[in-house]
Amino acid sequence: KAGVTQTPRYLIKTRGQQVTLSCSPISGHRSVSWYQQTPGQGLQFLFEYFSETQRNKGNFPGRFSGRQFSNSRSEMNVSTLELGDSALYLCASSLVGGGSSGNTIYFGEGSWLTVV
Amino acid sequence: AQKVTQAQTEISVVEKEDVTLDCVYETRDTTYYLFWYKQPPSGELVFLIRRNSFDEQNEISGRYSWNFQKSTSSFNFTITASQVVDSAVYFCALSEARQSGSRLTFGEGTQLTVNP
Repeated sequence: KAGVTQTPRYLIKTRGQQVTLSCSPISGHRSVSWYQQTPGQGLQFLFEYFSETQRNKGNFPGRFSGRQFSNSRSEMNVSTLELGDSALYLCASSLVGGGSSGNTIYFGEGSWLTVV
Repeated sequence: AQKVTQAQTEISVVEKEDVTLDCVYETRDTTYYLFWYKQPPSGELVFLIRRNSFDEQNEISGRYSWNFQKSTSSFNFTITASQVVDSAVYFCALSEARQSGSRLTFGEGTQLTVNP
């Protein structure tokens, strides 16, 4: 059974540009969430999608957005990139409700974004 | 608000030593879920265990064991007879049932180095 797949794995962008990251959850999983990991802030929750609807949102500016498609695949977008957006972006999937229902949450390998 | 604290930033041991990683959490919810993840240098968060707040039975799985104590709000993780391949960053995480969907709050992580 394939795990959570994220693309691209590595990318370099320039300040002011935008970036789109993609995530394919484990087959059958309907919840997809995104996390940002930086050395200074650690692992922080960005948002969660379930059945194409955003169900949860962390404390990030509006430059960070996401969406989920009917096949549960998800994308996140960061517009007007800043140097501080350099981070590892991790996607996670779970069957239905994730932690709140006790489902296990599985993570992908992440997308390493460097903003120069 | 929920909070997870991993007081040990770095631990270094020699192979075959036992090592315990500490995790203390805060939550006002009566139903919650605790997780441990392992993060090797590749970046992927590898799921190790999930424990429900209403199940205080401790668990042993091979060289891994977990000690969950609600009275002290702790969920510690022990590796017996450590191996070099255990070297990674280990994260403790919490999810509250009162939140809709899945949202993990992570600790700061503990960098474990096992030396040959």
